[in-house]
Amino acid sequence: EPEVTQTPSHQVTQMGQEVILRCVPISNHLYFYWYRQILGQKVEFLVSFYNNEISEKSEIFDDQFSVERPDGSNFTLKIRSTKLEDSAMYFCASTQGDLAKNIQYFGAGTRLSVL
Amino acid sequence: AQRVTQPEKLLSVFKGAPVELKCNYSYSGSPELFWYVQYSRQRLQLLLRHISRESIKGFTADLNKGETSFHLKKPFAQEEDSAMYYCALNNTGNQFYFGTGTSLTVIP
Repeated sequence: EPEVTQTPSHQVTQMGQEVILRCVPISNHLYFYWYRQILGQKVEFLVSFYNNEISEKSEIFDDQFSVERPDGSNFTLKIRSTKLEDSAMYFCASTQGDLAKNIQYFGAGTRLSVL
Repeated sequence: AQRVTQPEKLLSVFKGAPVELKCNYSYSGSPELFWYVQYSRQRLQLLLRHISRESIKGFTADLNKGETSFHLKKPFAQEEDSAMYYCALNNTGNQFYFGTGTSLTVIP
């Protein structure tokens, strides 16, 4: 069964550094998402992406964040200058279009630790 | 503002007992509601959604617009049901809101 894959599984970085989290969505999916989950807290929506542009973003998704689909397979989340409070689990998800738009398939997540 | 509330962080039931995981939401429009489940060491996955009106692994959930609830129920809990359960809401756009989750433990 096809899966959403995320790399790396764990990323450690210094405060102020840039990080790029990578995701490979399921190949025939059209909608892509990033979520984060701070330890002990709820899963929070960050951004949705469709047709090569952001379709919606939350208040969390400020100018420090950006997303990109640089080729036909990868979907990346970049944090320009990481802060301690960016430490969290980051999940990528993808869905097919149309009627199956809301059935999300999640990756296993990337744990980001900002020191 | 859209908000999903799961009042119970932890819930323990005995095997064979009924289980109900509560979810309440606030949304001014017509939302789509979901339950996602995360088993130990596995990824988050969709359990069911209200528009499908289906039973998955014995679980059902009915959207009650009057009470703004979408409680997840199963008449007879099994040990393999032990997991983290998240209620989620989708607005009419492309944004999703998750509750804080309920950790269900089914005691043998």
